[in-house]
Amino acid sequence: SQELEQSPQSLIVQEGKNLTINCTSSKTLYGLYWYKQKYGEGLIFLMMLQKGGEEKSHEKITAKLDEKKQQSSLHITASQPSHAGIYLCGADYNTNAGKSTFGDGTTLTVKP
Amino acid sequence: GAVVSQHPSWVICKSGTSVKIECRSLDFQATTMFWYRQFPKQSLMLMATSNEGSKATYEQGVEKDKFLINHASLTLSTLTVTSAHPEDSSFYICSALEVYNEQFFGPGTRLTVL
Repeated sequence: SQELEQSPQSLIVQEGKNLTINCTSSKTLYGLYWYKQKYGEGLIFLMMLQKGGEEKSHEKITAKLDEKKQQSSLHITASQPSHAGIYLCGADYNTNAGKSTFGDGTTLTVKP
Repeated sequence: GAVVSQHPSWVICKSGTSVKIECRSLDFQATTMFWYRQFPKQSLMLMATSNEGSKATYEQGVEKDKFLINHASLTLSTLTVTSAHPEDSSFYICSALEVYNEQFFGPGTRLTVL
């Protein structure tokens, strides 16, 4: 099984609705990253979480990391068409490695 | 924030030819860079870790003789896809680690092999 699982795989919401994307790790994380991407383009860094229970917000996007550091959620409030894209969570498991393992991504469509 | 560039942004080549992709950290030095590959509608898969001044470390299943990595300086890593075939067509993304271990991604290179 995968080390990092994302759900749902795809999501279609009406503009203005809230949504949540989850990322679950099979082992304790050193760091958890959220990115947004459109296929064929680079990754846009959204947020990094390192401490258990940590929560960060940027505009209408909030990300949380649970106390055990194995599960993170990304929450978008009052979604807009500009939020559409692929959301990827990435995990670091080693304090020195720096390399990331990625979830399969969640494709978000926001209907106007 | 730190900037990582990739060149070219897209390339089309004939089967059997070799293609070189460059990854540069523009405003910081990176002793470590990573190369990822992404197929349509799939996530990024780590191919290899590129270390300045030493051999790259390849992930399981990645052919090191096919995907040659050279980290010639603290700001440049190159990925050469040798004898490319249509199944190598993909989106290749590099990333670079800056001094605080924060990872910055390049914009990616789309490779199409005819």
